[in-house]
Amino acid sequence: DAKTTQPTSMDCAEGRAANLPCNHSTISGNEYVYWYRQIHSQGPQYIIHGLKNNETNEMASLIITEDRKSSTLILPHATLRDTAVYYCIVSPGTASKLTFGTGTRLQVTL
Amino acid sequence: DTAVSQTPKYLVTQMGNDKSIKCEQNLGHDTMYWYKQDSKKFLKIMFSYNNKELIINETVPNRFSPKSPDKAHLNLHINSLELGDSAVYFCASSQWDRFNEQYFGPGTRLTVT
Repeated sequence: DAKTTQPTSMDCAEGRAANLPCNHSTISGNEYVYWYRQIHSQGPQYIIHGLKNNETNEMASLIITEDRKSSTLILPHATLRDTAVYYCIVSPGTASKLTFGTGTRLQVTL
Repeated sequence: DTAVSQTPKYLVTQMGNDKSIKCEQNLGHDTMYWYKQDSKKFLKIMFSYNNKELIINETVPNRFSPKSPDKAHLNLHINSLELGDSAVYFCASSQWDRFNEQYFGPGTRLTVT
């Protein structure tokens, strides 16, 4: 599996957009970018995934650079409930396994 | 309407004991998983089952034995518990063709004393 690099921690003011970066310079052509988050004392939660194109759902937007070597997860209006560890994972879309790294700890503040 | 549930939520036991953790999903998924999250918060896959068949076994000690009585259940039995087994165990499920979109349970915190 391709490795990812994420900042250890980030802060964001409530109501502002949270932009979480992820580097995956060794990503293969068949590998997707997945984002999960884990709120304290809960199980991980799937957020979004993409291959090449930018993606948006009710939770977030995913921006993938044209060379696919990095991506950004955007929470458009962060709330206190978005405080969590965010994991960026690259994995083939076919049957495989999710390998979680250390993620980015996002702290949303008033 | 819990999607993935686990019991118990907390489990405290002594070394050498045998214990089980149960997992059930009501999402109609055909693939289920067990993950272990240690004290340093690293989350690692242990097993995955598809239609009751073992697919992934990530070099987990054979003291750990998953059992899948049907597609909706994947239980984890642990024999001869050791201190190092203390962790939070998460169950998850997905559809096989959407393997990486997994739904996780709330976790079971196992403490071995």
